[in-house]
Parts: sequence; structure tokens; C-alpha cells
Amino acid sequence: DTGVSQNPRHKITKRGQNVTFRCDPISEHNRLYWYRQTLGQGPEFLTYFQNEAQLEKSRLLSDRFSAERPKGSFSTLEIQRTEQGDSAMYLCASSSRTSGRLKGTQYFGPGTRLTVL
Amino acid sequence: AQTVTQSQPEMSVQEAETVTLSCTYDTSENNYYLFWYKQPPSRQMILVIRQEAYKQQNATENRFSVNFQKAAKSFSLKISDSQLGDTAMYFCASTGANSKLTFGKGITLSVRP
Repeated sequence: DTGVSQNPRHKITKRGQNVTFRCDPISEHNRLYWYRQTLGQGPEFLTYFQNEAQLEKSRLLSDRFSAERPKGSFSTLEIQRTEQGDSAMYLCASSSRTSGRLKGTQYFGPGTRLTVL
Repeated sequence: AQTVTQSQPEMSVQEAETVTLSCTYDTSENNYYLFWYKQPPSRQMILVIRQEAYKQQNATENRFSVNFQKAAKSFSLKISDSQLGDTAMYFCASTGANSKLTFGKGITLSVRP
């Protein structure tokens, strides 16, 4: 079990550019979540998948944001036409509905820090 | 809707002493979980402890324990024998039937040598 991984760890981009982040969950986990965290704040929910189905999206997720989880494995989060307000840490987490004692517990990746200039 | 409130922005404790971090929450769910996560300066969020709301017994994990008061909607974390490695930001969080986590604003804990 290698844990949740995210790439890239850091991304610096210019306003107006598109960026894409990748998350690889723990292999047997069927649920995958995206959160956004700004400095000094707790993470805020963006969206989540159960297998390949996107089941919920936050109102924080404007139409410039899109997320996919093809085949229920890794997930990508794309931000189009980035704005300076998009600068944040983007966290991915995964969980399993059937993992016994820690059922439902979300395990986080290291995050992707986005800086929009 | 769920809300989680951590009203203390920061705390400091002497190494080897005990410290308690406070958290209150509000939820309309009947079945939910409560968590404390730790985020050290390296920023990876790590699970500290988990409590199932339908269990009356307080969860414990080595030096970490909770005081879960369901009627008061209170969920505090006690850290015994504090260690320098406990220095981090601590987040209280809750999840309901829809499984998404709602976090508090966090508290910065500093352990003094």
C-alpha cells in the first residue's frame, strides 16, 4: 500500500492558462474526493466519485473546473482559464466503504500546490 | 448541512505535558463520523483518530484520546505526553451519509522543548 499520490506537487502558471492535476488513490478504495485548501484554512470539499461516477459537486466548483475518474482508478482535476483566486493547495483523498475498522475513513495525498501569477 | 467549529486558533504546550483541543459540530445526520486530522508543516494530512457517532465509548489511539459528548455536540482531542513531533495544525472534521468531510478552521499546536 503506497498511499494516495498526487502529481505534480507544485504548479506555477500564468493567469488564463489551463492546468490539470492527477490523483492516484489507494488501490482498493472505490471512493475518491477532491478538496481545496487555502492558507490557514481547513480543506473545503469540491467533488467526489464512487468508482467512475461523479456523485456530488460543490458550488465551489465553477464551470471552469472539471474532474474525471475514468475506469474508477486515477482521477484528474482540470482548471480552465485559471484566475489568481484559484491559487491554493488541491488535496485528493480516497476511502473504502468496506475496509472494516476504518470503513469510510479518508486518506489524503500530499496535495498539489497551485500558484497562479 | 454540517458545520464544525474550532474556536481556538492556536495553543502551546510543554513537552511531556497534556493538552486538549476543542471542537464543536452541528449536523442533522443520525449516523456520522468524527475525525481529528493532523497536518504537519510538510502539509500531508494524517488521520489521528476516528469516532463513530453511534458508539458511546470514546476512541483512543496510544497517546491520543477523545471526549465525545454527543448531546452537547462536542468532540475534543486530548494529547498526553506531548512530543515535539506533535507540532502541527490539527483539524476536526465530520462526515455524514454523503461521506464528504466538513472541516473546522484548524488549530495550530506548538510543543515547546
